[in-house]
Order: sequence, then structure tokens, then C-alpha cells
Amino acid sequence: TQLLEQSPQFLSIQEGENLTVYCNSSSVFSSLQWYRQEPGEGPVLLVTVVTGGEVKKLKRLTFQFGDARKDSSLHITAAQPGDTGLYLCAVFVQGAQKLVFGQGTRLTINP
Amino acid sequence: GAGVSQSPSNKVTEKGKDVELRCDPISGHTALYWYRQSLGQGLEFLIYFQGNSAPDKSGLPSDRFSAERTGGSVSTLTIQRTQQEDSAVYLCASSTGPSGGIYEQYFGPGTRLTVT
Repeated sequence: TQLLEQSPQFLSIQEGENLTVYCNSSSVFSSLQWYRQEPGEGPVLLVTVVTGGEVKKLKRLTFQFGDARKDSSLHITAAQPGDTGLYLCAVFVQGAQKLVFGQGTRLTINP
Repeated sequence: GAGVSQSPSNKVTEKGKDVELRCDPISGHTALYWYRQSLGQGLEFLIYFQGNSAPDKSGLPSDRFSAERTGGSVSTLTIQRTQQEDSAVYLCASSTGPSGGIYEQYFGPGTRLTVT
């Protein structure tokens, strides 16, 4: 059983469309992170959300942490081909000193 | 400044051979992590170093895997008697440690290991 369930696993849309990807769990977290990974590179941290209900914006990307701190969403407005990549949510398990990742959403934006 | 670097970027080896993967963390980062990314398993944690010490090695997939870190800097991940299921991208990350309870890890580009 995955600690973090991401959906959808794959998403292919046209440039200019909006999209939302989800990261869900039955566990409560003190914080949650979103990463983006491009081919041949390691994941790059986009944002960390900490407070339940928190909304953070990064240009056309909007991240929300659920009120109960069990889930999160990433919304992209007017998607661009440069948004193509693997989007990963992750939580840091303090006792084990490790990041646990969701399986990721592979996003393709077609020109 | 320089990010996390890993070498080699690609490694093809025959089943049964030993391989050594190297990670150079960001200067001054005391924490270093190894992860493995494969199609079937996603991104999974292998081992963590604080300084030169790895408190918990239970994330390593088998006793064929070992890792060390020297001088609080460079780390090597060694896989002995490689098997085809070891084929994956091995990622290294480093961190200064928590800031306000938040841990930010910086990842290297990974080493793509193919066992034939």
C-alpha cells in the first residue's frame, strides 16, 4: 500500500488547457512537498505546504494542502509545453529521515 | 554554486559484476541520501547519512548493497554481484538538515544503471 496515492498517473493535454493533479493519503502530515522531474535530471522542489488549507502559487501553478493535512492538489492554469514532466508529491518521515514519494503524475503538454 | 553531482551518468554492466556509484553533495550539506527510481517501484529511499554515519541501513534492498561516506562529503553506493532487477536510476540528494521543520533536499541528475 502506497503512503501517497497520486492521480492521474498519466495526463496528456493541449497547450492552454487547465489541469489538476491530486496527492491523497489516509495519514496526516506536518508538511507535504511537490517536485518536478524532467528526463535525465533529478527531482526539483517546487513548493512545501505546511498549514492545513494553505494555498501557494508559483506563476501558473497553484498548490493546496487539504484542511486535514491528508491530501494536496496541484492546479496548472493555461498549461505550456514547458510544464511537461513528472510531478511528484512527497512527505518527509522524520523518524526514518527519508522522503516518501507518490508514484507521480507524468504530464505531457502538446503544442 | 555547484549542485549535487553523480558519476557515472550511465553504467552498463554484466550480471554478476560489481559496480560503484559516486555522489558529490553540495558543499556544506551534512545530510546525504540515496534513492532508487525504477518504472515499477517509483522513487524509493535506500539510505541516509548524517555526516559519515548511516544510522539505519534497512532501506537497502539486499546485502549486496552497501554505502559509505567519507570526510562528510563524497559517498559511494556499491552493488555487488549485480542482478537485472538492480537496473534503475540511482539518485543522490543532499540537505543542510531541517529549517523550521522543513527538509529541503537537492537532487543530483542520477546514475542510470543497466544490468545485462
